[in-house]
Amino acid sequence: AQTVTQSQPEMSVQEAETVTLSCTYDTSENNYYLFWYKQPPSRQMILVIRQEAYKQQNATENRFSVNFQKAAKSFSLKISDSQLGDTAMYFCAFIINAGNNRKLIWGLGTSLAVNP
Amino acid sequence: SAVISQKPSRDICQRGTSLTIQCQVDSQVTMMFWYRQQPGQSLTLIATANQGSEATYESGFVIDKFPISRPNLTFSTLTVSNMSPEDSSIYLCSVDLGQLYGYTFGSGTRLTVV
Repeated sequence: AQTVTQSQPEMSVQEAETVTLSCTYDTSENNYYLFWYKQPPSRQMILVIRQEAYKQQNATENRFSVNFQKAAKSFSLKISDSQLGDTAMYFCAFIINAGNNRKLIWGLGTSLAVNP
Repeated sequence: SAVISQKPSRDICQRGTSLTIQCQVDSQVTMMFWYRQQPGQSLTLIATANQGSEATYESGFVIDKFPISRPNLTFSTLTVSNMSPEDSSIYLCSVDLGQLYGYTFGSGTRLTVV
């Protein structure tokens, strides 16, 4: 089965500190793409960072970086220098090919609160 | 990337009525997707809409309840029919930009059925 598990329903962090959100997944495919999406209270779903499974180098995007451990099927998100605007739901997801369609498999999300 | 305009952004509807949600994309895309996000939950895929063919519905969703139109490569609508309070959710459309880029989403429609 293709699944994504986010084991932390809620987290909080002080402004300017670093926080890591965990994500594990299960797939039998060897080539896939992993994503972290952010959904602030405005409910707009925003792509934060993506990782190709065939790349060993961890993706980074400004204050956001991932720790991708393919053998362990782990894909955690690190947010450095947290800002109040980082307060949001964070969803981990990956794309699989399902017949003629690609599908995003979603985790249940982690609610992150950045405190002043 | 693509920009998606979704409307309405929110609506409050009476039970038994229907609401049509529209999504306009600023570029041509093959596949569009409709999701439902119930309060505090993750996203659940309702259906995949390809231009020129009938939408493909996920388990638990049927065309009579959620009819979808896809008249061209830049536009799609989702209708929530014969609404009940259980249909109160956020509905999001999205487009597939390929495996490398993932999906881009509309801003969502917050539906409340009273």
